[in-house]
Amino acid sequence: AQSVTQPDIHITVSEGASLELRCNYSYGATPYLFWYVQSPGQGLQLLLKYFSGDTLVQGIKGFEAEFKRSQSSFNLRKPSVHWSDAAEYFCAVGAASGGSNYKLTFGKGTLLTVNP
Amino acid sequence: DADVTQTPRNRITKTGKRIMLECSQTKGHDRMYWYRQDPGLGLRLIYYSFDVKDINKGEISDGYSVSRQAQAKFSLSLESAIPNQTALYFCATSDLYGRDNEQFFGPGTRLTVL
Repeated sequence: AQSVTQPDIHITVSEGASLELRCNYSYGATPYLFWYVQSPGQGLQLLLKYFSGDTLVQGIKGFEAEFKRSQSSFNLRKPSVHWSDAAEYFCAVGAASGGSNYKLTFGKGTLLTVNP
Repeated sequence: DADVTQTPRNRITKTGKRIMLECSQTKGHDRMYWYRQDPGLGLRLIYYSFDVKDINKGEISDGYSVSRQAQAKFSLSLESAIPNQTALYFCATSDLYGRDNEQFFGPGTRLTVL
């Protein structure tokens, strides 16, 4: 069964600083990988996704993530954080083959605080 | 208009009451899901449905039931609510024929059981 680990429960950065949120997954085949963001009091919005091709994927709001199979990682990055990026971020992994490609497994989330 | 809607958005109820949370979608997707979110635990899958005739338990289905009334509607019921079911509940959909398993989420229902 697949699993996702987000090692950092809470990260604080200053506005304008760079950001990297870590995500490690466990899955036997090629994974489908996602990053979602949840702003306070809001639902989940997809930032970006990877399922094949170029291992560096670009998303919305200036975010990018890199799939590294050798490290089983899919870390999210942003070169310059804005105050509006303060939110909770969830990494998720999905099955990638056959009739069982229905399920996403989510990490426990990383809460991002942005200091002015 | 939102593609995935949930009603109610907020609900406070008492222990032992029956509660139904409703989800509707206009995306034309076959697959629908119910998750609950608890602080520090992320999202956990309660039930999912591939189509109207297909219902499956997720990892935390005890104490919950679901009904898929139509392709566009998927309801979650708590037959006898208890306080540890206090959580934020999300409905999601995905396209059976989609390449990448992306799920689209509703705005959530915040349920408080006293």
